[in-house]
Order: sequence, then C-alpha cells, then structure tokens
Amino acid sequence: AQRVTQPEKLLSVFKGAPVELKCNYSYSGSPELFWYVQYSRQRLQLLLRHISRESIKGFTADLNKGETSFHLKKPFAQEEDSAMYYCALMNRDDKIIFGKGTRLHILP
Amino acid sequence: NAGVTQTPKFRILKIGQSMTLQCTQDMNHNYMYWYRQDPGMGLKLIYYSVGAGITDKGEVPNGYNVSRSTTEDFPLRLELAAPSQTSVYFCASSDQDRVRLFFGSGTQLSVL
Repeated sequence: AQRVTQPEKLLSVFKGAPVELKCNYSYSGSPELFWYVQYSRQRLQLLLRHISRESIKGFTADLNKGETSFHLKKPFAQEEDSAMYYCALMNRDDKIIFGKGTRLHILP
Repeated sequence: NAGVTQTPKFRILKIGQSMTLQCTQDMNHNYMYWYRQDPGMGLKLIYYSVGAGITDKGEVPNGYNVSRSTTEDFPLRLELAAPSQTSVYFCASSDQDRVRLFFGSGTQLSVL
C-alpha cells in the first residue's frame, strides 16, 4: 500500500531551537518525495523535493530509503516557520499522495 | 496571472441538493486536480485530469463528477449532497512538472 505517515499532528518548538518534522512512507520502488507548506491565510505551496537536494528557507530533507523516511529539518526555528506542513509522494501513476500534515508552532 | 481561481469560497448545502464547484486556471496547465481536506486527514484526491477531454478517478471519487471541456476549467459536481461531503475542497493545476502543484484558495462546503 502507498502511504505517507506524519506521526505528529502538532509540534511546538521554541524560536532558535532545531526543528524536525517526521515523515515515513510506504511504497514499493523509488518514490519521488516532497514537502508542501501552508502558511496562515496563504495557499498550499511546494516547499522542497528530494531530487533537488536543495535548502529552502533553511529547511532540508534527506531521503533515507533504509528507514523509508523523509524528515524535514531546520537547525534554528524562526517564528515565520509556523505553518502546516505536508509530506507527500508521487506514485507511478503520477498521483500525489499526501500525509495528514503536521502543524508547526514556533514559540517565542 | 490569477493562477488557480475557485468559486465559491463558502457554501452551505442541504442534504440532497446539488452544486458545482468552479475551478479555472490561466497558466495553460494540462494537469488539474480536485482534493478534499478533512480535519486531521490531509488531502485526498477526488478526480484529476491530464488534459481537455480526459478525466480519471482519484482515491475518493464517489458522490462526485467532473468534466474538462477546456484546458482552463475543471468543475466539480456534487449531485446529491451528503453530510460526509462536508469538507474543504481544493483545486490544483500543474504543468509537465507534476510535483509542483498550484493550488486554489479552497472552498469550504458544509452539508447540513
């Protein structure tokens, strides 16, 4: 079964502390994985994808095939990082499967 | 560019009523999608389209219909509204880079 699991509904982190949003996936083969973000009163938008190996707004995510994980990390949280984060994968049929999302709350 | 435009933003329906959620995009994207977002459940794909005249079912198509007569428009039809269809509906589009979806602002639908 194709599945994306985000175990935390809510994650509260103090400003300046490291952030790790967990994502695990279930997929036979090599998936394409990425993170979407929805800031307050804004539309859902692509944050980053694993094939780019890029850092966006200080966030990075490494695909770990052994652990079937794609955790999103940032070394120092900022207040503007408060948002809803969705991990997602694209399957062979080019359909995107989203996780349930994690709300990140940055405490001052 | 307006991007992806959805109307209406809010709607309340009675059980059994029908309605059409409108979605239009001005980016000349071939791919369009309808998702529903239930609280704590993430986004579920209802229907999608890879181009004008072509539509296909997603994960949760029951109770919905779509059409794609033009590249720009992808309306979602609810024929007999049920309380289980209370949700936030998002339309999205993409070009050949199908990972990068452009989302509309959503329609909040309540069926009472």
